[in-house]
Amino acid sequence: AQSVTQLGSHVSVSEGALVLLRCNYSSSVPPYLFWYVQYPNQGLQLLLKYTTGATLVKGINGFEAEFKKSETSFHLTKPSAHMSDAAEYFCAVSAYSGNTPLVFGKGTRLSVIA
Amino acid sequence: GAVVSQHPSRVICKSGTSVKIECRSLDFQATTMFWYRQFPKKSLMLMATSNEGSKATYEQGVEKDKFLINHASLTLSTLTVTSAHPEDSSFYICSARQHRGNQPQHFGDGTRLSIL
Repeated sequence: AQSVTQLGSHVSVSEGALVLLRCNYSSSVPPYLFWYVQYPNQGLQLLLKYTTGATLVKGINGFEAEFKKSETSFHLTKPSAHMSDAAEYFCAVSAYSGNTPLVFGKGTRLSVIA
Repeated sequence: GAVVSQHPSRVICKSGTSVKIECRSLDFQATTMFWYRQFPKKSLMLMATSNEGSKATYEQGVEKDKFLINHASLTLSTLTVTSAHPEDSSFYICSARQHRGNQPQHFGDGTRLSIL
């Protein structure tokens, strides 16, 4: 079974500051990990994913995440926040690339202050 | 890239009405699609797994007679909320995964269902 914990339901940063959204997972098998972003009244958009290989994954809009097996973490970062980054972010885990559903964390709302 | 289209984006209807939501994979074949429900300020909860040509698999606590799922082709799954009531008001999102490879799920834009 898989589970995801996102630390902090709401994170607020100043424009230009570092963004760090935390995600820890639990999985009985090697995980596939994902970060999605959701803007108000919209569906989810994939930011990045980790399946195998390089543990530092780069995504869209300047985001990246690092898979750390020893810490069971997959934190999302961005060096410099933009106002347009304000949204809800979801970390998700899947067992493997077969037809298994994603298990989502509860989400972290990112606010960017001018 | 892979695109999933979900329609309609918003529905407002009276209690007792049945509402159908469509989920289409536009440029890939999806033998499996997933239906999620998102309550306000909450995460996504899996409702059911829709398998092309067979019955959907529902998660515990989800009424299969209330939420009818049909996956008639490799590119279309439908969710019908039967005899909807105000407590069924929610944001429903579908997703589809390409059949092969280490592909992530692609999500539709969601349907906001409001039952009056």
